[in-house]
Amino acid sequence: EIVMTQSPATLSVSPGERATLSCRASQSVSSNLAWYQQKPGQAPRLLIYGASTRATGIPARFSGSGSGTEFTLTISSLQSEDFAVYYCQQYNNWPTTFGGGTKVEIK
Amino acid sequence: QVQLVESGGGVVQPGRSLRLSCAASGFTFSSYGMHWVRQAPGKGLEWVAVIWYDGSNKYYADSVKGRFTISRDNSKNTLYLQMNSLRAEDTAVYYCARDGGEAVDPDAFDIWGQGTMVTVSS
Repeated sequence: EIVMTQSPATLSVSPGERATLSCRASQSVSSNLAWYQQKPGQAPRLLIYGASTRATGIPARFSGSGSGTEFTLTISSLQSEDFAVYYCQQYNNWPTTFGGGTKVEIK
Repeated sequence: QVQLVESGGGVVQPGRSLRLSCAASGFTFSSYGMHWVRQAPGKGLEWVAVIWYDGSNKYYADSVKGRFTISRDNSKNTLYLQMNSLRAEDTAVYYCARDGGEAVDPDAFDIWGQGTMVTVSS
């Protein structure tokens, strides 16, 4: 199965700053990659699919890029509600697999 | 509004069984594939199983194959997960999730339930 590796494990950012999260696949997943946000005690929420398409209702400060094996989620100006754990997911190959997550915390 | 609500979790002894349910509302349930995804305490997400919109195909993670069965009743807008021969390592929050389908992407999960906790312990 494809292994998804996210870095860093924890990212400390001040409100208003830019956050850049990375996700690497052990083999090419084309653009079949999604990003999810999860807050404590809540279910994950779809942010990005197709590597770069924002899901319905997701603010424009969230953007995704990349293809093949290297992907990035950028949050252009962190708001208080953005501090959470972010997961990437590949769905190019069965079984679908998730990265271990990046926790974005307040600096 | 579009909603998924899981139920059926609880504490169960190793080797016993449990059935989870996921009630869907606010969308045409019979038009969507559905998944179960789990999350062990303090850990990441693990896909468990998928069922096609009409129930014609089902696939499982190796970790649960032969022990878990996914099913659905489109007349009741409900998804199920029958879990047999439970192990301590099955302890997790279990989420049902809607497949994104053609509107989003197949196998991206666009709607999630709130989750139900399953604890396997003696």
